[in-house]
Amino acid sequence: AQSVTQLGSHVSVSEGALVLLRCNYSSSVPPYLFWYVQYPNQGLQLLLKYTTGATLVKGINGFEAEFKKSETSFHLTKPSAHMSDAAEYFCAVSGHPGGSYIPTFGRGTSLIVHP
Amino acid sequence: ETGVTQSPTHLIKTRGQQVTLRCSSQSGHNTVSWYQQALGQGPQFIFQYYREEENGRGNFPPRFSGLQFPNYSSELNVNALELDDSALYLCASSLETSGYNEQFFGPGTRLTVL
Repeated sequence: AQSVTQLGSHVSVSEGALVLLRCNYSSSVPPYLFWYVQYPNQGLQLLLKYTTGATLVKGINGFEAEFKKSETSFHLTKPSAHMSDAAEYFCAVSGHPGGSYIPTFGRGTSLIVHP
Repeated sequence: ETGVTQSPTHLIKTRGQQVTLRCSSQSGHNTVSWYQQALGQGPQFIFQYYREEENGRGNFPPRFSGLQFPNYSSELNVNALELDDSALYLCASSLETSGYNEQFFGPGTRLTVL
């Protein structure tokens, strides 16, 4: 079984401030982890993913996330928020062979960026 | 390279009716997954098709059914619509079925059931 918990349905930051979106997962097998972004009236777009190897993953638009197995976390960060980062962000988990390949998504975190 | 497209964009139906949603996968992708995204929620997996065969199903009743065609485009059919079926329906295509493959999402179809 696998699940994702995104802490905080809304996160509000000022432009230029650090962005931190939290994601904790549960998986019975080594996980594949993803962050997607959804802009209004659009589908989801992949920001970054962790499969194996380096635990610090860099994605598009200056975002990065670190896989911490001991904390079962995959938090998303960006050093300096931009107005264009305002969107809905989803964390997702799927499994290695033998586990579930079907991704499970969190409920999403809405990022609000103030000027 | 053409991305994932979905039609129609918006749809309004009444309870008890049937609806068909369509999805064209990204060029070269043989796997299509369908998701239901209720307002304020994350996407919920409905089912996946791989090379025209259903390859996994989420916790949705049989009145949700699908098809994949030889060109890998896909349809989602929902019978006996209920009010709770109102949601954004997302289609995503990918290369093969492996869990580590990126899914490319279409813009979705917004279904409203009255």
